[in-house]
Amino acid sequence: AQSVTQLGSHVSVSEGALVLLRCNYSSSVPPYLFWYVQYPNQGLQLLLKYTTGATLVKGINGFEAEFKKSETSFHLTKPSAHMSDAAEYFCAVAEGNTPLVFGKGTRLSVIA
Amino acid sequence: GAVVSQHPSWVICKSGTSVKIECRSLDFQATTMFWYRQFPKQSLMLMATSNEGSKATYEQGVEKDKFLINHASLTLSTLTVTSAHPEDSSFYICSAIGLAGNYNEQFFGPGTRLTVL
Repeated sequence: AQSVTQLGSHVSVSEGALVLLRCNYSSSVPPYLFWYVQYPNQGLQLLLKYTTGATLVKGINGFEAEFKKSETSFHLTKPSAHMSDAAEYFCAVAEGNTPLVFGKGTRLSVIA
Repeated sequence: GAVVSQHPSWVICKSGTSVKIECRSLDFQATTMFWYRQFPKQSLMLMATSNEGSKATYEQGVEKDKFLINHASLTLSTLTVTSAHPEDSSFYICSAIGLAGNYNEQFFGPGTRLTVL
């Protein structure tokens, strides 16, 4: 069965600094990988996804992630953090039509 | 793009009453929908898989008699929380599988916040 590990339940960065949120996955078949953002009292918003093809995936709001099969990783990055990036971020994995399996989430704080 | 709606967006009810939450795929047909539950400051946990025209498949530990799921059409799945109690208070999110390019993607609804008094 697939699983996701997000390292660090809370990450704090300064405004303008690099954002790096870590995600490692376990899957018995080539996975589909996703990053979602959730703002307080709101639903999930898809940031980006990897299905096939190019391993570097660009998403919304300047975020990108790279699928590294050898490292079973799909870390999320953004070159320069904005205050509006403060939110909860979830990495998720799916195998075909199976339901998404989510990591425990990482809360990103951005310090002015 | 594929849009999934949920109704209501929030509900407050008294202990012992039942609450129905609707999940609709607005611009596509979804033979499969999923129901998730999210407690405060926690991740999403899959509750059940809802398949159109057949019984839902529940995850281990989820009471099927308490959380009734009906997927009566290709665009609607409902979750009914029966005899709700305060511990059922949570954020309930549905998703529907739709075609996105050449693979099937899950599209999420905005969630329903249930508070049981």
